[in-house]
Amino acid sequence: EVQLVQSGAEVKKPGESLKISCKGSGYSFTSYWIGWVRQMPGKGLEWMGIIYPGDSDTRYSPSFQGQVTISADKSISTAYLQWSSLKASDTAMYYCARVKIGGDAFDIWGQGTMVTVSS
Amino acid sequence: AIQLTQSPSSLSASVGDRVTITCRASQGISSALAWYQQKPGKAPKLLIYDASSLESGVPSRFSGSGSGTDFTLTISSLQPEDFATYYCQQFNSYPLFTFGPGTKVDIK
Repeated sequence: EVQLVQSGAEVKKPGESLKISCKGSGYSFTSYWIGWVRQMPGKGLEWMGIIYPGDSDTRYSPSFQGQVTISADKSISTAYLQWSSLKASDTAMYYCARVKIGGDAFDIWGQGTMVTVSS
Repeated sequence: AIQLTQSPSSLSASVGDRVTITCRASQGISSALAWYQQKPGKAPKLLIYDASSLESGVPSRFSGSGSGTDFTLTISSLQPEDFATYYCQQFNSYPLFTFGPGTKVDIK
């Protein structure tokens, strides 16, 4: 079964660092772009950026450039989203998703990781 | 940057109704558009890609059309499990693959 499995919910304080993960299985992880999407509580979906695990080519939405770092470790089929200094406004659900080959869309989604930043 | 708008922002409908949601791009995006369904507490689910291609496993009551700047998602006969929020997303403006603001479909 093709799936993306994300790491569990996190509760952090402002200023702390965090790295969440997204592990792919059931397909060739290095052959598909992986994207990250933010959904703040009660709000819509926001595109953050994408990475190609085959060569770690990474692109960011201007809104998130410099605010987060996207990376991947192809040896363990895992993509990451990390923050060096969290803010309360980073509180949100974060989804990873696979870009469909031959079609413009995210075809497989992780279950989401809830990040809560509160003092 | 390409902006997407959706209309309506919400609608109330009954089981069996035909429902149409519109997504408009601020500039032409060819057919590089996808539609997703999201239910509360769940990840989005792909319905339509390349504007009009039905994703495998998605019921045929869902269809997509359009190209350029104007797109529609149609549910031919609304079912109880279709009450959800629907989002469009463009893939033309690499790497800024923006989402529309969403359309919530609830029970009349």
